[in-house]
Amino acid sequence: EDKVVQSPLSLVVHEGDTVTLNCSYEVTNFRSLLWYKQEKKAPTFLFMLTSSGIEKKSGRLSSILDKKELFSILNITATQTGDSAIYLCASVELGGATNKLIFGTGTLLAVQP
Amino acid sequence: KAGVTQTPRYLIKTRGQQVTLSCSPISGHRSVSWYQQTPGQGLQFLFEYFSETQRNKGNFPGRFSGRQFSNSRSEMNVSTLELGDSALYLCASSPEGAGNSPLHFGNGTRLTVT
Repeated sequence: EDKVVQSPLSLVVHEGDTVTLNCSYEVTNFRSLLWYKQEKKAPTFLFMLTSSGIEKKSGRLSSILDKKELFSILNITATQTGDSAIYLCASVELGGATNKLIFGTGTLLAVQP
Repeated sequence: KAGVTQTPRYLIKTRGQQVTLSCSPISGHRSVSWYQQTPGQGLQFLFEYFSETQRNKGNFPGRFSGRQFSNSRSEMNVSTLELGDSALYLCASSPEGAGNSPLHFGNGTRLTVT
């Protein structure tokens, strides 16, 4: 069965720390991997990764995909309290009529002042 | 551009009742997907609609159904509610569907079944 596993499940850090969130996947017809940040309600899009080894960066956040080892990491440097959220990763599986998104259960990040 | 709009924001129902949730996608987006989010299970895919047709379905019982209108707005219906249906229901839209471009999520409808 296709699945996406995120680790750790939760994490507490202090402002200024660097964190690495992990996402591994087992998907039959893998197309791409997505990262989302969910603060209160709507998950907001962070990154879409399709190619292995190419880092995507946005401010203090960066992410990379390893298609050989079937995982992705999301790095956050110099964390701030506003980074506190659930971080979700999802794999996109190629389907017949449409692609299918499989989400992990998320990593709950709490950044303390 | 307005984002994805879901109504209502909160709902409280009793077991056995039915409920209808509404989702208005971003203008121009033809794909609407529905997800159920619970603390233990994370986001689980319910179904996807594209141009008024359901083209993908998750592993949920037949009590969960949906439809999409010609203006791409979508509704989701849950009949014979059970306590386990209490969850945040998220709708997401995209121009063509998952994988080709990121999904844009609404704020969700929080359903509580008592």
